[in-house]
Amino acid sequence: AQTVTQSQPEMSVQEAETVTLSCTYDTSENNYYLFWYKQPPSRQMILVIRQEAYKQQNATENRFSVNFQKAAKSFSLKISDSQLGDTAMYFCAFMKRTHQGMNYGGSQGNLIFGKGTKLSVKP
Amino acid sequence: DVKVTQSSRYLVKRTGEKVFLECVQDMDHENMFWYRQDPGLGLRLIYFSYDVKMKEKGDIPEGYSVSREKKERFSLILESASTNQTSMYLCASTTYGQPNYGYTFGSGTRLTVV
Repeated sequence: AQTVTQSQPEMSVQEAETVTLSCTYDTSENNYYLFWYKQPPSRQMILVIRQEAYKQQNATENRFSVNFQKAAKSFSLKISDSQLGDTAMYFCAFMKRTHQGMNYGGSQGNLIFGKGTKLSVKP
Repeated sequence: DVKVTQSSRYLVKRTGEKVFLECVQDMDHENMFWYRQDPGLGLRLIYFSYDVKMKEKGDIPEGYSVSREKKERFSLILESASTNQTSMYLCASTTYGQPNYGYTFGSGTRLTVV
């Protein structure tokens, strides 16, 4: 079974600085997706960034980037130029890649979450 | 954009009541999910459905049931609410065709059982 571990329950960073959130996962699969979700105080879970395991290039979305180390099973999130609006819970998640377009039952392809890191950006 | 709408943002119910949490999505997604979120425990999967009238248990199904009579609607039912079911409940959906898009979530229902 796959597991996702976020070892930092809470972190803080000064506005405009850079912070890195850690995530490791355990799987025997070779094809999968990794995600970072953000949950601000408004509670709406928002997809921040995604990475496909077969792509070696690290994903980047504006101020957010990942360091994907497949062999080490590590998927950290770097937030550059932190803003007050980045204050939120951040969840790392893993999804096994299933055959697209095919109907399936069971938990194949379900998203597996870490327990989250609470990030506070301080002015 | 896909929208997942949860009918209530806050609910307060009494112990023993039957509680319905409703979730509707508007993009014809096949898969729908109910999660429970508690501090320090992250998101735990209660039930999911990959088609109309189909359902499967997640990690913590005890005390819950679900209904999916129409593709767009997935209901979570607490048969007899208890105080240990006080929690945040999140609904999500996704489609087979674009698994790399991850899930789309509703904004959550905070349920308090007194």
